[in-house]
Amino acid sequence: DAGVIQSPRHEVTEMGQEVTLRCKPISGHNSLFWYRQTMMRGLELLIYFNNNVPIDDSGMPEDRFSAKMPNASFSTLKIQPSEPRDSAVYFCASSPLMNTGELFFGEGSRLTVL
Amino acid sequence: DQQVKQNSPSLSVQEGRISILNCDYTNSMFDYFLWYKKYPAEGPTFLISISSIKDKNEDGRFTVFLNKSAKHLSLHIVPSQPGDSAVYFCAVSSKNTGNQFYFGTGTSLTVIP
Repeated sequence: DAGVIQSPRHEVTEMGQEVTLRCKPISGHNSLFWYRQTMMRGLELLIYFNNNVPIDDSGMPEDRFSAKMPNASFSTLKIQPSEPRDSAVYFCASSPLMNTGELFFGEGSRLTVL
Repeated sequence: DQQVKQNSPSLSVQEGRISILNCDYTNSMFDYFLWYKKYPAEGPTFLISISSIKDKNEDGRFTVFLNKSAKHLSLHIVPSQPGDSAVYFCAVSSKNTGNQFYFGTGTSLTVIP
């Protein structure tokens, strides 16, 4: 059974460029989460979806960040324009809607903005 | 605003001894508490959890303790093994806030052989 799949694993880009991170959740999971890991703040929740609908995006840092979930098997996190302070590891996670509290994480996308 | 705090960024323990990782949370509405383990270049994986109706949950070498009045939970690993070396995140959630999970900043555990 495939786990949560994220791409790309690594992205190096220049300031001002658009970055798109992708996530395929585990089949049958109705909730999808985007987290950002930094040294200072640990794992920050950016946004989460239930049944493809964004429920809480209060963690999205600013308007440069946007996330979509066009269907149950795909989500994107876009940063436009990117800035050096966006450099971090971005994790996608999924879980069943009525879950036991366990999230299933992907391996992360490490973003470096020069 | 950090809902969850792990005040020790790192911890070193001798193999065979007990590792104790601590976590504090701010809001008494949280009713489900979890620990995740993360190896380098991998995503976090679920380790153990506890609901607010209990004060202890044990799974093999891992035990989580919950002190609701102090808003504190801890993870005990005994005996510690070198393979336990990883970053440990505590997380909290609440039925009242839907599926939101708040994570701490993590504690990096090193078990010395």
